[in-house]
Amino acid sequence: EDQVTQSPEALRLQEGESSSLNCSYTVSGLRGLFWYRQDPGKGPEFLFTLYSAGEEKEKERLKATLTKKESFLHITAPKPEDSATYLCAVQARGTYKYIFGTGTRLKVLA
Amino acid sequence: DSGVTQTPKHLITATGQRVTLRCSPRSGDLSVYWYQQSLDQGLQFLIQYYNGEERAKGNILERFSAQQFPDLHSELNLSSLELGDSALYFCASSPSPNNEQFFGPGTRLTVL
Repeated sequence: EDQVTQSPEALRLQEGESSSLNCSYTVSGLRGLFWYRQDPGKGPEFLFTLYSAGEEKEKERLKATLTKKESFLHITAPKPEDSATYLCAVQARGTYKYIFGTGTRLKVLA
Repeated sequence: DSGVTQTPKHLITATGQRVTLRCSPRSGDLSVYWYQQSLDQGLQFLIQYYNGEERAKGNILERFSAQQFPDLHSELNLSSLELGDSALYFCASSPSPNNEQFFGPGTRLTVL
């Protein structure tokens, strides 16, 4: 069964303290892996798409990487405005379904 | 602003009732997706349409139905509502079924 697991569930960082969020997936052939940011009560906001192992994407303080079994979202020198829930989703080949993980709630303290 | 619009923003209704949620995708996007997000659960994929045709079905209850119209807007119909249906319902759109999705602001449904 296709599955996405994110860890940790919650993370508290001091401003400037870099860290990584993990997304482990089990799918029968990966079509794409997607990262989103979600603020409370709002719709998820698209961040990155990764398609193949070894691929990396960067945007401001965020960098996403992909291996054959997991993806990492690295946050460098985070700021309080980076506080949000970060969601990972995968789409398997042969299906149009997207499977979302339950997310990592990030809190960055000033 | 993602360009995806959803109406209404809030909906309060009683058990046993029926409601319709509406979604307009971004200009040019042909795929529309519906998701349910409850406090104790993550984003649950309900259903996907592409250019008017159903492409994928997730954990959508038989009491729920959806359609995508020729102008590409979509409606999610929820009937015989139960307390447990209270949740945020999101619509998302993408150019094709394999692209990243852009989410609307959601409709918060409260069933009393």
